[in-house]
Amino acid sequence: QSALTQPASVSGSPGQSITISCTGTSSDVGTYNLVSWYQQHPGKAPKLMIYDANKRPSGVSNRFSGSKSGNTASLTISGLQAEDEADYYCCSYAGSSTWVFGGGTKLTVL
Amino acid sequence: EVQLVQSGAEVKKPGESLKISCKGSGYSFTSNWIGWVRQMPGKGLEWMGIIYPGDSDPRYSPSFQGQVTISADKSISTAYLQWSSLKASDTAMYYCARYSGYDRRMYYFDYWGQGTLVTVSS
Repeated sequence: QSALTQPASVSGSPGQSITISCTGTSSDVGTYNLVSWYQQHPGKAPKLMIYDANKRPSGVSNRFSGSKSGNTASLTISGLQAEDEADYYCCSYAGSSTWVFGGGTKLTVL
Repeated sequence: EVQLVQSGAEVKKPGESLKISCKGSGYSFTSNWIGWVRQMPGKGLEWMGIIYPGDSDPRYSPSFQGQVTISADKSISTAYLQWSSLKASDTAMYYCARYSGYDRRMYYFDYWGQGTLVTVSS
């Protein structure tokens, strides 16, 4: 059971859009829609941003969206704001009541 | 209001045992899986395992099976993560989190504890 693959870092300027990919296998992302995304600011607990691959919890800005195709899930943030600078993690169900996180992506807002 | 409150920071020596806790409130503690997540210094999140407090049914990541024990006491709405013999490499922040779901289903972590920092050093 290996960690899902995310880019180590992405960056963008305020107002731009960025996309973070999360690549798994046919044993996790490719089979289940149970993909979620979490935002973590330094020194804070993670916060749910997207669940079921493309659903947004109440209270999360509609600038955040998710999608999935095959073994890869993606998180897109549009209209980048300074407050979006954080680490982002994907997480997928991997069968047999186990889950796996991605390695994390550091988003820098230039 | 759903809350998960974790026990305080710990400083231990290698070889010592430790049990940290996560107390749930504001919901029916026996109805949702509780998970534990490790975050080593400067590193990413790692899924360790889960427990269903209703019947104390634990499941572990292969990476953590045999290294830790996850348990729960539903009478006091508390889940636990314990080590019998700590190593320096166990130094990390540990988070508990609640799974959204019903009827033993798990969908995503919807509430998180504040984290417990465990430092293991001689």
